[in-house]
Amino acid sequence: DAGVIQSPRHEVTEMGQEVTLRCKPISGHNSLFWYRQTMMRGLELLIYFNNNVPIDDSGMPEDRFSAKMPNASFSTLKIQPSEPRDSAVYFCASSFPQGNTEAFFGQGTRLTVV
Amino acid sequence: QQPVQSPQAVILREGEDAVINCSSSKALYSVHWYRQKHGEAPVFLMILLKGGEQKGHDKISASFNEKKQQSSLYLTASQLSYSGTYFCGTEGRSSSNTGKLIFGQGTTLQVKP
Repeated sequence: DAGVIQSPRHEVTEMGQEVTLRCKPISGHNSLFWYRQTMMRGLELLIYFNNNVPIDDSGMPEDRFSAKMPNASFSTLKIQPSEPRDSAVYFCASSFPQGNTEAFFGQGTRLTVV
Repeated sequence: QQPVQSPQAVILREGEDAVINCSSSKALYSVHWYRQKHGEAPVFLMILLKGGEQKGHDKISASFNEKKQQSSLYLTASQLSYSGTYFCGTEGRSSSNTGKLIFGQGTTLQVKP
């Protein structure tokens, strides 16, 4: 398996534009997590899905952020409109649904909003 | 609530030992440890599930005191490859067995020759 695949790896966009980040989890994993990493706030959990259903989105910073998982092999995180403070590295991770298993992280998307 | 890690940063010489601590204000179901190298994704090290459990991974081991809601990561005879940022991720009792992790702020470890 190629692991968790995220695209794009880098994204530079202007303030106000819509940004869509994509994630393909490891086949067979039922849980998918979106994290945001910044120097100030560290690794923050934004939202997680179990069997394609959003279970906890309490970490989503505001209404500008939305996430979907239309099927077991694809998820998106959308920011609209984007702001400079959204600049961060966004990681997607997947795991089996039980808590006693490791999460596998994708390589991340480095987002810069100018 | 985010777990608290200490220290924030450590600088070692090759062969020296280090301890990284992780403390939570909430009752914990499990503690996960990850290492992240600069510009890369976090990589799993180990999971601790039971009170007082101790695990080892090469020369890296960890303990979990369920009653104190604390975990410690022990790095012995450090190697250059140990350099990176170490994160503990905690899973609370209320969200047990979901895989939902809240990560600490990280401890940056630098091993020098």
